[in-house]
Amino acid sequence: QSALTQPASVSGSPGQSITISCTGTSSDIGDYNYVSWYQQHPGKAPKLMIFDVTNRPSGVPDRFSGSKSGNTASLTISGLQAEDEADYYCSSYTGSSTLLFGGGTKVTVL
Amino acid sequence: EVQLVESGGGLVQPGGSLRLSCAASGFNFYNYEMNWVRQAPGKGLEWVSYIRSSGATVYYAGSVKGRFTISRDNAKNSLYLQMTSLRAEDTAVYYCARGFFLWPRITLDVWGQGTMVTVSS
Repeated sequence: QSALTQPASVSGSPGQSITISCTGTSSDIGDYNYVSWYQQHPGKAPKLMIFDVTNRPSGVPDRFSGSKSGNTASLTISGLQAEDEADYYCSSYTGSSTLLFGGGTKVTVL
Repeated sequence: EVQLVESGGGLVQPGGSLRLSCAASGFNFYNYEMNWVRQAPGKGLEWVSYIRSSGATVYYAGSVKGRFTISRDNAKNSLYLQMTSLRAEDTAVYYCARGFFLWPRITLDVWGQGTMVTVSS
């Protein structure tokens, strides 16, 4: 099963907003609200940022928000900060007892 | 402090076997579902396997099905991944991760630091 589709890179200036898309199919993102987003800094373990499409765990800044439309989920970072520079991965349940990750998006703060 | 610590990684020849362990602390391990996720060098995340809190239900990615076996010992607060018939493409950092909700509401809220597995002759 192919990975969910994410742009390889997204960039923005401090204070700006950026959006990362994550495209799947009607068998995964389109059929379930079990989309999560993870942030990974170089050499570190991933960190949960968003779960169930729109929910933030405690401790995650409200600059991070999630949404979904059809087969595409999105992560928006508002008020971009230097520490947001990292790789971001989406994930979704697939309906076939497996979890699928996106290919990852490198966020660069200009 | 909630913590997951993996161990057991290393260099193994193609066709060989390796057993990874993940020691949990700071939470009631027996209450949580667990997963293994791997990341090849310079690549993205790939989910590998899942196990229910009781150990009664397990799932695998197609790429490892029939070769890897996930298990747990709740008395020892430990998760395991037995890997056999290893291939070069299994080379990766292997993370254990806690599932916060019940499958299929997969939300990996705690991750270990990872253990590196290298398959090479």
